[in-house]
Amino acid sequence: DQQVKQNSPSLSVQEGRISILNCDYTNSMFDYFLWYKKYPAEGPTFLISISSIKDKNEDGRFTVFLNKSAKHLSLHIVPSQPGDSAVYFCAASALTGTASKLTFGTGTRLQVTL
Amino acid sequence: GAGVSQSPRYKVAKRGQDVALRCDPISGHVSLFWYQQALGQGPEFLTYFQNEAQLDKSGLPSDRFFAERPEGSVSTLKIQRTQQEDSAVYLCASSQSDPGLFFGEGSRLTVL
Repeated sequence: DQQVKQNSPSLSVQEGRISILNCDYTNSMFDYFLWYKKYPAEGPTFLISISSIKDKNEDGRFTVFLNKSAKHLSLHIVPSQPGDSAVYFCAASALTGTASKLTFGTGTRLQVTL
Repeated sequence: GAGVSQSPRYKVAKRGQDVALRCDPISGHVSLFWYQQALGQGPEFLTYFQNEAQLDKSGLPSDRFFAERPEGSVSTLKIQRTQQEDSAVYLCASSQSDPGLFFGEGSRLTVL
């Protein structure tokens, strides 16, 4: 039972264009969502997060949108850069429990081409 | 150190061997987590410590898996009688406060 789903295993985007990575969740107890970025042979690194009381959070080139009614979130990267090429994981947690006990999706591999 | 340090980075074990994976969290971080990442999957929660107390071990797949953090700092994940399905990257993460995890580079275990 995959509670956090990333249905696109890969995405290719041209440099300078927008990258949109999608994530769906099924557990209505989740109220905090995070995106992690992972390069090969490295651990995941935190990118951006959003609480369920918000529908948008922006940090530089990265924006996360949350649609609670649809149980859907997305990560927008504008403009995309070659250094953004990595695997992106969506993760969720319930703040009422152990907030850092994260449930991850299976990841989307983003390739930004020149 | 500046980040979460894990050792060994790579471990090859014969089926049936015991292995021990070490995690040195960021100094002062109270919370420590272990996650297992199989090939092509996202990390999956194994266990959680707050200081030396193991508060949640619901993700440990079997009683062959054991974790400890006796002094509230370094943690060891031990896998007894390894099996091929234990092959994965084992990620350790620590945090100062919820939420927000800092991950190590992981220990890649291959069981032959």
